[in-house]
Amino acid sequence: DAKTTQPNSMESNEEEPVHLPCNHSTISGTDYIHWYRQLPSQGPEYVIHGLTSNVNNRMASLAIAEDRKSSTLILHRATLRDAAVYYCILNRGGADGLTFGKGTHLIIQP
Amino acid sequence: DTEVTQTPKHLVMGMTNKKSLKCEQHMGHRAMYWYKQKAKKPPELMFVYSYEKLSINESVPSRFSPECPNSSLLNLHLHALQPEDSALYLCASSQRWTSGLTYNEQFFGPGTRLTVL
Repeated sequence: DAKTTQPNSMESNEEEPVHLPCNHSTISGTDYIHWYRQLPSQGPEYVIHGLTSNVNNRMASLAIAEDRKSSTLILHRATLRDAAVYYCILNRGGADGLTFGKGTHLIIQP
Repeated sequence: DTEVTQTPKHLVMGMTNKKSLKCEQHMGHRAMYWYKQKAKKPPELMFVYSYEKLSINESVPSRFSPECPNSSLLNLHLHALQPEDSALYLCASSQRWTSGLTYNEQFFGPGTRLTVL
């Protein structure tokens, strides 16, 4: 699987938008960009995925650069419950297992 | 039901013990996974089962023995473990990938926290 690079940690204030960046310069044409997050003392949970176009769902938005070498996960209005480690992962779709990088530890201040 | 359940939640075992971890899902998923997560580290893939057959073994030591008795159940049998095997063991499931037509997110259980003394 291609490698991703994320900041170790980010801090934001409650009720403000959060932009979590991910660089993946060696992405292949068949790689999906996935985001999972892991809240404290829980298993990871799926957040969003995309291939080429920007995506929105009830949890977040995913903005994908035109050359697909980077992407940004956007939480539109962070809450304290969004404090978690966010992982940006590349692969064909998840059925072969996920290769987690170190992720970004998101801290939300009240 | 979009839940993956894992039992037990916590397990303490000695190096000579034999124990098993259990994972169950009733979402009709045909791919199931074991991951290991050490403290403050990301999860690492151990095994993948597809249609009850082992499809990926990430060079895991033989003291970990996976089993998939049916499409809803996944076990991890543990024998002669070492203290460094202490970790959170996560199970996940997903639909099997089908020719690029469907994205198959993975659903994770809460994990079993294993301590080897």
